[in-house]
Amino acid sequence: QKEVEQNSGPLSVPEGAIASLNCTYSDRGSQSFFWYRQYSGKSPELIMFIYSNGDKEDGRFTAQLNKASQYVSLLIRDSQPSDSATYLCAVNSDRNAGNMLTFGGGTRLMVKP
Amino acid sequence: DAGITQSPRHKVTETGTPVTLRCHQTENHRYMYWYRQDPGHGLRLIHYSYGVKDTDKGEVSDGYSVSRSKTEDFLLTLESATSSQTSVYFCAISDIGIGTTGYEQYFGPGTRLTVT
Repeated sequence: QKEVEQNSGPLSVPEGAIASLNCTYSDRGSQSFFWYRQYSGKSPELIMFIYSNGDKEDGRFTAQLNKASQYVSLLIRDSQPSDSATYLCAVNSDRNAGNMLTFGGGTRLMVKP
Repeated sequence: DAGITQSPRHKVTETGTPVTLRCHQTENHRYMYWYRQDPGHGLRLIHYSYGVKDTDKGEVSDGYSVSRSKTEDFLLTLESATSSQTSVYFCAISDIGIGTTGYEQYFGPGTRLTVT
């Protein structure tokens, strides 16, 4: 079982809809959770992080964390074609000295005009 | 872009040749990482560094070595390149002092390597 799991997609939503991206993780000791956006041919870009249970909102983006269920999600409201990208979930690991993150495989989002 | 550059940005090389990729940062961040990204595998950690001359292996370190002789540069070397090392290579940085959690990683633009 992979440590961080994401549905690879593609997830297709119409413009203006809410896109819901999900991620599960296996390490109960994980404390910080990150969402990266990666456009085709580009490097990953950090868009949000969350470390407390509940919701965290930033503009059109909302991150949701449920540590009991080991589940983190990203909601994108009023989805735009420019949101079409691959979204990577990442989770911190305290098990060594490297300040490391473990990444999921990513979910490809397609927003159709 | 957190002051991270990678060179070269594109490289084509032949099987069996040595290849060195460079990651350069301008902000004196402590942690530096090398990842490779392949379809179906996502981002996989090759090696990382937690200080000058302090490095350790990641998930997929076989066939790769690294060096960090000064804070700003982290070099990834493929001693004898193989076709399985054709990939996109990303460097990343993090530091306790940047961001809110201290675990945030910021990525360089990437190097596309093709081994023929």
